Amino acid sequence: GESVGLHLPTLSVQEGDNSIINCAYSNSASDYFIWYKQESGKGPQFIIDIRSNMDKRQGQRVTVLLNKTVKHLSLQIAATQPGDSAVYFCAENLLSGNTPLVFGKGTRLSVIA
Amino acid sequence: ETGVTQSPTHLIKTRGQQVTLRCSSQSGHNTVSWYQQALGQGPQFIFQYYREEENGRGNFPPRFSGLQFPNYSSELNVNALELDDSALYLCASSLSGAETQYFGPGTRLLVL
Repeated sequence: GESVGLHLPTLSVQEGDNSIINCAYSNSASDYFIWYKQESGKGPQFIIDIRSNMDKRQGQRVTVLLNKTVKHLSLQIAATQPGDSAVYFCAENLLSGNTPLVFGKGTRLSVIA
Repeated sequence: ETGVTQSPTHLIKTRGQQVTLRCSSQSGHNTVSWYQQALGQGPQFIFQYYREEENGRGNFPPRFSGLQFPNYSSELNVNALELDDSALYLCASSLSGAETQYFGPGTRLLVL
């Protein structure tokens, strides 16, 4: 079975609000995590990543939080825009390199204008 | 844009046929990973190629095979196609030993 899962399959937010997408992982050996955004008909697009020696990392309008104690990952999107509507996947990996990503099923984010 | 390209974009085959999908990795990347994404699911790892050698394989039967060429581009071959092989096939490239994988746009395969 998959070792990465998501709490909510769908999320609807008002334009301008902040979005929080959650992810649970089960492999405590995983030490690298990535969030991808996938728009309809396209391949996954890298958003942000975080290593297990960090608990927070910020990008442009996005923040990833990692709680290793409860094996939980979240993606926060500030001032959500219609262009943020997509399916978001978290993926886990090992820093030993050249190892496969393990993806969850994804959360569909719908932004209401 | 990631610089990873895939061809063709769409493909329709019938059960029992064979298919070859192609991927060109991002410049400077020597590792290519292939994933199968069924509708409404996350990508599932098929296999990875590093410097022309298979470097890990997921839970897929031997009729899924691949190649990597000296320029690090790659092919995914699927023999004896089954209806359940209908999916989006994604390739991702990365640097040797690096973690971040960058995906191409995918090839949508429909098996009738």
